[in-house]
Amino acid sequence: SQQGEEDPQALSIQEGENATMNCSYKTSINNLQWYRQNSGRGLVHLILIRSNEREKHSGRLRVTLDTSKKSSSLLITASRAADTASYFCATEETSGSRLTFGEGTQLTVNP
Amino acid sequence: GAVVSQHPSWVICKSGTSVKIECRSLDFQATTMFWYRQFPKQSLMLMATSNEGSKATYEQGVEKDKFLINHASLTLSTLTVTSAHPEDSSFYICSAYPISSYNSPLHFGNGTRLTVT
Repeated sequence: SQQGEEDPQALSIQEGENATMNCSYKTSINNLQWYRQNSGRGLVHLILIRSNEREKHSGRLRVTLDTSKKSSSLLITASRAADTASYFCATEETSGSRLTFGEGTQLTVNP
Repeated sequence: GAVVSQHPSWVICKSGTSVKIECRSLDFQATTMFWYRQFPKQSLMLMATSNEGSKATYEQGVEKDKFLINHASLTLSTLTVTSAHPEDSSFYICSAYPISSYNSPLHFGNGTRLTVT
């Protein structure tokens, strides 16, 4: 079953704006990961944040993790049209190595 | 590094036939591979965990006799959709962790689009 909930389900912004996506989960986790999926393709790993970390950066990406609220956010700064894709959070639970994916956010960046 | 190759990328088959999908880790070994299914505009649903040298672990609601998984080596897992029906049409994606990885990301294949007519 899917334990992650993401919001918004869809987000449409203009190039240059920032995009923020949120993810909530229910169980204890080892880490939380964000992936990107272009239409009809496999998933590309973006960033992994461990349960003992609170914030992580990678280029234009910033991820936060609040384990007390069981939530995470992904911020994409200075968005580009090429950032248009679906973004998924996924949690690795402490009970095992399997990943459980959230429902995803469809991001559209308009040129 | 850490490339996962999935083949075929798309397949069209007639109802009642069987389809085999291969998932290979090209530059690493994986004792565990995961098979996901994704319907249009939906998230990935874990179908089964494929364990090298032993039986796969299926998620609740996934028929093990319909979705046969074989993980004969540390670099290859196969998913066979037996007696496929139109409702099996979906996007199937495999993924893997390198051996002895911890707190590492999954590496995904590019997926297989299955259409059953």
